[in-house]
Amino acid sequence: EIVLTQSPGTLSLSPGERATLSCRASQSVSSTYLAWYQQKPGQAPRLLIYGASSRATGIPDRFSGSGSGTDFTLTISRLEPEDFAVYYCQQFGSSPRVYTFGQGTKLEIK
Amino acid sequence: EVQLLESGGGLVQPGGSLRLSCAASGFTFSNYAMSWVRQAPGKGLEWVSIISGHSGVNTFYADSVKGRFTISRDNSKNTLYLQMNSLRVEDTAVYYCARGSPIITYYFDYWGQATLVTVSS
Repeated sequence: EIVLTQSPGTLSLSPGERATLSCRASQSVSSTYLAWYQQKPGQAPRLLIYGASSRATGIPDRFSGSGSGTDFTLTISRLEPEDFAVYYCQQFGSSPRVYTFGQGTKLEIK
Repeated sequence: EVQLLESGGGLVQPGGSLRLSCAASGFTFSNYAMSWVRQAPGKGLEWVSIISGHSGVNTFYADSVKGRFTISRDNSKNTLYLQMNSLRVEDTAVYYCARGSPIITYYFDYWGQATLVTVSS
């Protein structure tokens, strides 16, 4: 079973700065199968990116995803105050059918 | 507008049972696979189970719940269920209902607000 490892665990940045979050898979993952979510305290996760690089409906273009194989990245070009949250990557496994999440990266205000 | 509303959570003793429900609206429920994802207090997300769209003939479970939990759906009521038996302390979590992405569920595009399950003596 594929394990997703996110880094860093916590990222401290200021509004206006650029954020780069990493998601590394223990085995190669098809880009089609990789998604990113944002979760704010007390709220449900929100889909940000699917297919490694496609933005979900209504997601601002300051969010972008990239990567392939075992290394994937979520980039937030210029941080807004509402972007400080926990971010999870997730992959789909077809055999057996499983959905695996990374442990999360907390993006906090510096 | 897609809406998913979970209910049925509560406090239950170890070994007990609980049934969660998720009422869906704003989309053609039968056309989509539906899933449960949980989050233990202060922890990350853990996928629990998924059921295919239409007849719901295909179901899949995380190893941690296999043989104890059963996912089902009633398309006439636009409702998803999770029957949880033989509950353990480690099943304590908020449980989210999530809609699977179209055609093949590679990801989850809409999530409910969750219902809290606490397993404790």
